[in-house]
Parts: sequence; C-alpha cells; structure tokens
Amino acid sequence: QQQVKQSPQSLIVQKGGISIINCAYENTAFDYFPWYQQFPGKGPALLIAIRPDVSEKKEGRFTISFNKSAKQFSLHIMDSQPGDSATYFCAVSNTGTASKLTFGTGTRLQVTL
Amino acid sequence: DAGITQSPRHKVTETGTPVTLRCHQTENHRYMYWYRQDPGHGLRLIHYSYGVKDTDKGEVSDGYSVSRSKTEDFLLTLESATSSQTSVYFCAISEGLAGGSHEQFFGPGTRLTVL
Repeated sequence: QQQVKQSPQSLIVQKGGISIINCAYENTAFDYFPWYQQFPGKGPALLIAIRPDVSEKKEGRFTISFNKSAKQFSLHIMDSQPGDSATYFCAVSNTGTASKLTFGTGTRLQVTL
Repeated sequence: DAGITQSPRHKVTETGTPVTLRCHQTENHRYMYWYRQDPGHGLRLIHYSYGVKDTDKGEVSDGYSVSRSKTEDFLLTLESATSSQTSVYFCAISEGLAGGSHEQFFGPGTRLTVL
C-alpha cells in the first residue's frame, strides 16, 4: 500500500509566484516529515523537515505546514525562482526504526520567467 | 557535500549476470541505505544497515542482497540481474541520533541498465 500520497505530479508556476505541494500519510506512528529537492542527475538533498509537535516551520522562502489531525503536510515555496525548478519529494519516517524514509512519488516543479 | 561516493556511476549489463554496486562514506555514519528510483515511484528502500554486519530488508528487497563488512562500505548485489532492475540506485547515510538529526545524505547515484 502507498504510505504517502503526493500531489500534484507536476506544477508550473510563474516567477515570483507561490508553489504548493501536498502530501498525505496514513500511519500515525510517523514522527519526522522531510522534503527533499532533486536536480536532474543529482541525488536528493534535504530541503526542510518538521516534527509533529509544531504546525509550521519556515526556512527562508520555504515553509512546511503540518496538519496532524488531517495527516497532511505541505511545502510552500514563496517568491518561486527559476532556480527552484526541480523535483520535490515528501517523505515520512518513524525515527525509532532506523530513520527509514518512505517517499512520495515526487512533484516536478517548473518555474517560468 | 557529505562524503559519499558510489561506484560505478554507470553500468550496462546483460540479463542473468551478477552485479555489485558499491557505496563508500567518509562520515562514519551508523546507518546506510540503498534506494532505487523509478519514474512514477519516487525512491523506494531496498535494504538498509544499522551497523557493521547488521542489515535488514526494505520495501523492495526481492532479487537484491547487501553486505557491510566495514563502517564505510555498503555493497548492493544483484545476484542475477533482470530487466526490471534497470533503475537509478542511490545510497544514503544517516547518523540517526536519538533526539538529533535524522537527515539522510544521498550519494550521486548509479544508473544501471539491464539488457
């Protein structure tokens, strides 16, 4: 079964706009919710992560919003730039189990001029 | 970049042949992971290791085996490669500290094609 569902599959946003990517999960045992960014030909790299004891975390132009009751979390990219064009993956983890990550299927973001 | 290297970076092989991919880290991190990345599936965990000689299966472990004889090296073996194992393989490492960072750092990937 798919433990984390990510949407949309692809997203086109104009420069300066807001990009929003959503993820939903099932297992309430998850306690670590990272977002990874991947450029073509590269490995994924951690962008931002949140624990379930807070509802929002902001780092620069990137914000995670977390809704524990709905079992959903989202990534917001403010003032989107062409350099943000990449594939974004949400992930979930139960850190008590070797920090294994279960990834969403990814969102390809294109920021146009 | 975290000190993770993967070798080879590209490999083309034929169905039925054995293949071994190597992941090497210089960070002395406890945990190491092997993922495969396929379009429409994201990254899926194959096997992981929580210490020397300590390994366990992930989500898609059938057809794969792993070994970790040293902290710094984690090997992924396809005993008899099949076309369905054509994929990009990523190694990752993590400190996995209780109460601390659980960030996984990824290597550059190995593109494997099985003909």
